[in-house]
Amino acid sequence: AQSVTQLGSHVSVSEGALVLLRCNYSSSVPPYLFWYVQYPNQGLQLLLKYTSAATLVKGINGFEAEFKKSETSFHLTKPSAHMSDAAEYFCAVSGTGGYNKLIFGAGTRLAVHP
Amino acid sequence: EAGVTQFPSHSVIEKGQTVTLRCDPISGHDNLYWYRRVMGKEIKFLLHFVKESKQDESGMPNNRFLAERTGGTYSTLKVQPAELEDSGVYFCASNQGAGDTQYFGPGTRLTVL
Repeated sequence: AQSVTQLGSHVSVSEGALVLLRCNYSSSVPPYLFWYVQYPNQGLQLLLKYTSAATLVKGINGFEAEFKKSETSFHLTKPSAHMSDAAEYFCAVSGTGGYNKLIFGAGTRLAVHP
Repeated sequence: EAGVTQFPSHSVIEKGQTVTLRCDPISGHDNLYWYRRVMGKEIKFLLHFVKESKQDESGMPNNRFLAERTGGTYSTLKVQPAELEDSGVYFCASNQGAGDTQYFGPGTRLTVL
């Protein structure tokens, strides 16, 4: 079975500060891991994904995430927050073989203050 | 290229009524997925089509939900009769092959009163 835990349903940072959104997963098989973002009134957009290549994954809009198997973590970071980063972020896991549904965490809403 | 589209964007219905949600995947995508997010909780998988066939419907909550994908193009999700707990946002996603990125639509917000 697979599951995802996102620590912190709400995170608030100042513009220009480091963004750190935490994600821990549980999986009995080697996982694929994803971060999606949902801006207001829009659908989910893929930020980045880990598919067993490089453990440090770079995504769009300056975000990156590091897969740490020993810690079963896939935390999302961005060195300097921008006002436009305010959104809800979802971590998800899937299996690696065949057709795989996504298992999502509960989401983290990021607020960015001037 | 057009993305995944969903209709309607919002639907408000009374308990006991029927509602049909529609999803148009990206052209050429054989795989179509339905997910649902109940208020404040995680997004949960409902079912997966490969072309017109149901590959996995393990997430369908009960037999009040009926999904179809006739002809392997667009899909509909019917809720009949709707209950209060069916309220939430219903997302559709599609991808071309196994393991490919799933592209999501904007969702349909369903409110059952």
